[in-house]
Amino acid sequence: DQQVKQNSPSLSVQEGRISILNCDYTNSMFDYFLWYKKYPAEGPTFLISISSIKDKNEDGRFTVFLNKSAKHLSLHIVPSQPGDSAVYFCAASANRAGGADGLTFGKGTHLIIQP
Amino acid sequence: EAQVTQNPRYLITVTGKKLTVTCSQNMNHEYMSWYRQDPGLGLRQIYYSMNVEVTDKGDVPEGYKVSRKEKRNFPLILESPSPNQTSLYFCASSYGWQGNTEAFFGQGTRLTVV
Repeated sequence: DQQVKQNSPSLSVQEGRISILNCDYTNSMFDYFLWYKKYPAEGPTFLISISSIKDKNEDGRFTVFLNKSAKHLSLHIVPSQPGDSAVYFCAASANRAGGADGLTFGKGTHLIIQP
Repeated sequence: EAQVTQNPRYLITVTGKKLTVTCSQNMNHEYMSWYRQDPGLGLRQIYYSMNVEVTDKGDVPEGYKVSRKEKRNFPLILESPSPNQTSLYFCASSYGWQGNTEAFFGQGTRLTVV
């Protein structure tokens, strides 16, 4: 059973517009969420994160929104630029005693920015 | 330059022939881990290590071994590779637990087992 779901395998957005990438989770123990971006032939790179005690975190053109009651988070990119074309992974973690566990990743959404 | 280096980048091998994928980081990170990426499945953790001589299983550890004899190195060992281990592998390191700390990923190793 997939605990982190990215239901859109791909998303096409026009340059300059807003890109909204969605992520849903099922495990209520998750308390930290991260977005990673991946270009072809490269490893993922960290983009932005949010703790469950917040509902919004902003970093430049990137904003992540968290709706705990709906178990839903979204990544907004405004304005979208050609260099944003990549695969975006949503990831979540649960702070267990001992704190030694990894991330649970979604399957990824391929964002394509069209000129 | 801060980086995580994996070798080799590409590897084709035959079933049953032992292989090692190396991973090295130059950031003095304590936490290192291995992930595999498969189509339609995203990234799944294989093994992780919180520090030297401390390793533990992730979500998909079967068929893999790891060791952490030095802080900078975290090799992934496939004692008897099988075709279902054909995948794209990523090593990652971070200052702390990767659940709430930015992880730095290597460029990936594409492994094909025939």
